[in-house]
Amino acid sequence: NAGVTQTPKFQVLKTGQSMTLQCAQDMNHNSMYWYRQDPGMGLRLIYYSASEGTTDKGEVPNGYNVSRLNKREFSLRLESAAPSQTSVYFCAAGGGAQGTGELFFGEGSRLTVL
Amino acid sequence: AQSVSQHNHHVILSEAASLELGCNYSYGGTVNLFWYVQYPGQHLQLLLKYFSGDPLVKGIKGFEAEFIKSKFSFNLRKPSVQWSDTAEYFCAVNAQGDYKLSFGAGTTVTVRA
Repeated sequence: NAGVTQTPKFQVLKTGQSMTLQCAQDMNHNSMYWYRQDPGMGLRLIYYSASEGTTDKGEVPNGYNVSRLNKREFSLRLESAAPSQTSVYFCAAGGGAQGTGELFFGEGSRLTVL
Repeated sequence: AQSVSQHNHHVILSEAASLELGCNYSYGGTVNLFWYVQYPGQHLQLLLKYFSGDPLVKGIKGFEAEFIKSKFSFNLRKPSVQWSDTAEYFCAVNAQGDYKLSFGAGTTVTVRA
């Protein structure tokens, strides 16, 4: 029982390159989330998916796209990476009915954009 | 939209000292409140949560938090910290019925043996 699994754990990109962060959960939660964590700023919500087939913007969606492939998987894509996107990215699942439940987080993906 | 502020960026304590971390939120409606912890090298995990009822909630590892609605606060407390409580602590809030969970900037707690 892995919970929430993210890949890759580390990635270095050059400015302008693209990449996709993968996230999968085996907990059967309807809702999934992508956050970024930056020093002194806590976690900021990029995108979320309340249920399979829906996605919505969070606080900082610019420069990102997401796909809710199925109930298990929620990917985050950077089409043209910028140094400002250097961060640690966390995927989460959970939230329960209308956000009342616990979020379960993956171990994070550390992205550096040169 | 709701926002969350945590007053302390870094707190340094000795073992057995008491800990209190401040958290205030701005939102006029009904909210759900959470404290998450991130131990060094690990992912975030839930410490405790408040939805309704008794405003004093108890979580794991001896932590508790008190919701004071009039002050829009949800402060975290532990009477006697241990070295293993060294971690980063995040307060989070969402409006009831909203899937979006907003986090504060976090407080790094260092406990010296």
